[in-house]
Amino acid sequence: RKEVEQDPGPFNVPEGATVAFNCTYSNSASQSFFWYRQDCRKEPKLLMSVYSSGNEDGRFTAQLNRASQYISLLIRDSKLSDSATYLCVVNINYGGATNKLIFGTGTLLAVQP
Amino acid sequence: DAGITQSPRHKVTETGTPVTLRCHQTENHRYMYWYRQDPGHGLRLIHYSYGVKDTDKGEVSDGYSVSRSKTEDFLLTLESATSSQTSVYFCAISEGQESFYEQYFGPGTRLTVT
Repeated sequence: RKEVEQDPGPFNVPEGATVAFNCTYSNSASQSFFWYRQDCRKEPKLLMSVYSSGNEDGRFTAQLNRASQYISLLIRDSKLSDSATYLCVVNINYGGATNKLIFGTGTLLAVQP
Repeated sequence: DAGITQSPRHKVTETGTPVTLRCHQTENHRYMYWYRQDPGHGLRLIHYSYGVKDTDKGEVSDGYSVSRSKTEDFLLTLESATSSQTSVYFCAISEGQESFYEQYFGPGTRLTVT
């Protein structure tokens, strides 16, 4: 079982739609959580960190559910420019000072005009 | 913009040749990382550095070595390139004093080993 799992998609949605992605993680020692955005043939870019209480940045809302071990990303009022792959990333502590980032394989979003 | 550049951006090389990729940062960050990205896999850590001359292995370090003789430069060497090392290589940095927290990536190097 992968440590971080995402639905690869693609999610094809019309402009203006609301779309949500989920990501599950298997290691309960996971400490920090992030969403990255990656455009085709570009580098990943940090979209937002995910806080325990949930957080919002404009049209984007991230939620964390530690009990069920998943995080989510909600995008409201989708724009064409939101089309990208969204990577779920989890920081896991393996004991002491040993941390590691585990990257999901990404969910592809295609916003249609 | 985290001020990270990578060179070369594209390279084609033959099996068995050594290859060195360079990551350069301008903002004096302590932590630097090398990842590879392949279809069907998330980014996987090759090596990382926590200071000048301080490096450690990641999960896919076999066939790779690194060096960091200056804060701003982190070099990744494929000692004898193989076709399985055809990939996109990303360098990353962490800001501040925390490792493996928020990371910022360079533009990547596309390497093809024929």
